[in-house]
Amino acid sequence: TQLLEQSPQFLSIQEGENLTVYCNSSSVFSSLQWYRQEPGEGPVLLVTVVTGGEVKKLKRLTFQFGDARKDSSLHITAAQPGDTGLYLCAGAHGGFGNEKLTFGTGTRLTIIP
Amino acid sequence: NAGVTQTPKFQVLKTGQSMTLQCAQDMNHEYMSWYRQDPGMGLRLIHYSVGAGITDQGEVPNGYNVSRSTTEDFPLRLLSAAPSQTSVYFCASSKPGQSYGYTFGSGTRLTVV
Repeated sequence: TQLLEQSPQFLSIQEGENLTVYCNSSSVFSSLQWYRQEPGEGPVLLVTVVTGGEVKKLKRLTFQFGDARKDSSLHITAAQPGDTGLYLCAGAHGGFGNEKLTFGTGTRLTIIP
Repeated sequence: NAGVTQTPKFQVLKTGQSMTLQCAQDMNHEYMSWYRQDPGMGLRLIHYSVGAGITDQGEVPNGYNVSRSTTEDFPLRLLSAAPSQTSVYFCASSKPGQSYGYTFGSGTRLTVV
């Protein structure tokens, strides 16, 4: 069984602060995906990272895939209340690359105005 | 462009009853999956399909059946509902390939009493 551990589980910070969320595994994945989920809705894809060492930026969000493709991090600069939500990492695997996703347990982020 | 549509949004079943959760996507995605989300356990893969006529088991398949007769539809059947199947169920779809992420439906909240 492939497991993904996310840390921290809960994070509550003031608006304007920076934060980093981590996603770690002992397994190698073909890609690592990050999703954000709002209450009562399904997860929404933020980014997919494929290459070991890859860094992707999405406005104030920076995503990094570990060199060995086993771990990833999400860094948010100058957090805003609109960043509040459940952040999920998911490792993709399978013969063709993304038939199956293994999800982490999530980081619940609260940004205090 | 509807994306992934799940019905119903809410359902209450009695123990032993059967029902089908519907999922349809209009993006011509080959891959479709069913997940359940439980507090503290993240999303767990139930069944998945890489194309019409092809299905396979995920991490927690017991008590559930699927079929994929068309590219668009991927229904999930609960054969004899149990309280342990109380959960939020999400359907998702994707193009094949490690650089593609999944589009999720808005979920079905199922309670088995």
